[in-house]
Amino acid sequence: NAGVTQTPKFQVLKTGQSMTLQCAQDMNHEYMSWYRQDPGMGLRLIHYSVGAGITDQGEVPNGYNVSRSTTEDFPLRLLSAAPSQTSVYFCASSYEPSRKAFFGQGTRLTVV
Amino acid sequence: KNEVEQSPQNLTAQEGEFITINCSYSVGISALHWLQQHPGGGIVSLFMLSSGKKKHGRLIATINIQEKHSSLHITASHPRDSAVYICAVKQSGSARQLTFGSGTQLTVLP
Repeated sequence: NAGVTQTPKFQVLKTGQSMTLQCAQDMNHEYMSWYRQDPGMGLRLIHYSVGAGITDQGEVPNGYNVSRSTTEDFPLRLLSAAPSQTSVYFCASSYEPSRKAFFGQGTRLTVV
Repeated sequence: KNEVEQSPQNLTAQEGEFITINCSYSVGISALHWLQQHPGGGIVSLFMLSSGKKKHGRLIATINIQEKHSSLHITASHPRDSAVYICAVKQSGSARQLTFGSGTQLTVLP
């Protein structure tokens, strides 16, 4: 029972590069979301999905794209990395937002 | 003003002490979560509650819906309880995911 698998754990990018953070869950959860965590600011919602084919923006969506082609996978794409995107990123899933949330291990991203 | 406020931001305790972390929120909610973030960075859900009180081992979570306040208590604290504790709420009537507090850094000294 893998839960939420998030890769990679660490990544260094140069400004302007693009990359995809992978998130997969094996619990058949409809709700999946991406957060970024910055010092002193708590977790902030980037994008979320309420089911396959349905995504929506969170608080800080600029510079990021998502898609949800399957229930299991919810990748986060950085289109053109900027130093302001240096952060720790977490993927989470749950049956619904009021139910227990399961988090991936996080990705520490540095943009230089 | 943040919709979810936690206090204190930092807390240092001696092993064995009773610890309380507070969470106040300003919006209507359907659920409140307490999360624990380990020093290595992983996040684990401790409690999800919408009313009353829940207990798991040495951890107790309470919520007062009328006062828009929740507390997380740790009895007989231990150094392994050292972590960041995060309060998060699911707002009523919104399809959005959780809104998070900024966390409480707890350090328990031996």
